[in-house]
Amino acid sequence: GQQVMQIPQYQHVQEGEDFTTYCNSSTTLSNIQWYKQRPGGHPVFLIQLVKSGEVKKQKRLTFQFGEAKKNSSLHITATQTTDVGTYFCAGPMNTGFQKLVFGTGTRLLVSP
Amino acid sequence: GAGVSQTPSNKVTEKGKYVELRCDPISGHTALYWYRQSLGQGPEFLIYFQGTGAADDSGLPNDRFFAVRPEGSVSTLKIQRTERGDSAVYLCASSFQGTGELFFGEGSRLTVL
Repeated sequence: GQQVMQIPQYQHVQEGEDFTTYCNSSTTLSNIQWYKQRPGGHPVFLIQLVKSGEVKKQKRLTFQFGEAKKNSSLHITATQTTDVGTYFCAGPMNTGFQKLVFGTGTRLLVSP
Repeated sequence: GAGVSQTPSNKVTEKGKYVELRCDPISGHTALYWYRQSLGQGPEFLIYFQGTGAADDSGLPNDRFFAVRPEGSVSTLKIQRTERGDSAVYLCASSFQGTGELFFGEGSRLTVL
């Protein structure tokens, strides 16, 4: 079945350092979404990318959708302690646009 | 309501018992989803409703799991003859017409002893 993998599984950075998580799908995606889940919390939507090669920015966060629409990345510039959490990418399964398959997640820890 | 509401927030039960988990989506959202999340894992799709009907229930692990949404709003996930492996956080999400952003509830943490 369709799989969505993320690397790294875990990263620990010092506040102010940059962070990047990579998302790879076994199949081409019509779109990709990113979610953030704080410890003990629920996933919260960050952004959706639709176009091949699309790049979107939200303040210190930069999201990119690969040209082949099979991979994506999230880059955080100058991390802050508020960035702590697990970041998930999610893409729709081939058989159903509404059926989002979530990636394995990257857990980010930021030390002050 | 302002967001997706799930009850109970925590449920501890014994192996073999029956459990119901409730989800009240955002008003006006026609699409409702159930996901299951185990510790350290991403959310795993269970079922998706568009209105009152289950549009896709392919993620339900077996016939012990069943979900309903009789009036197109509140949904109940029902688990019969619970097993220890059912222990997880059950997340409900809703979206406007089934496209774009999912709004998740806080989840119901189920522990089967």
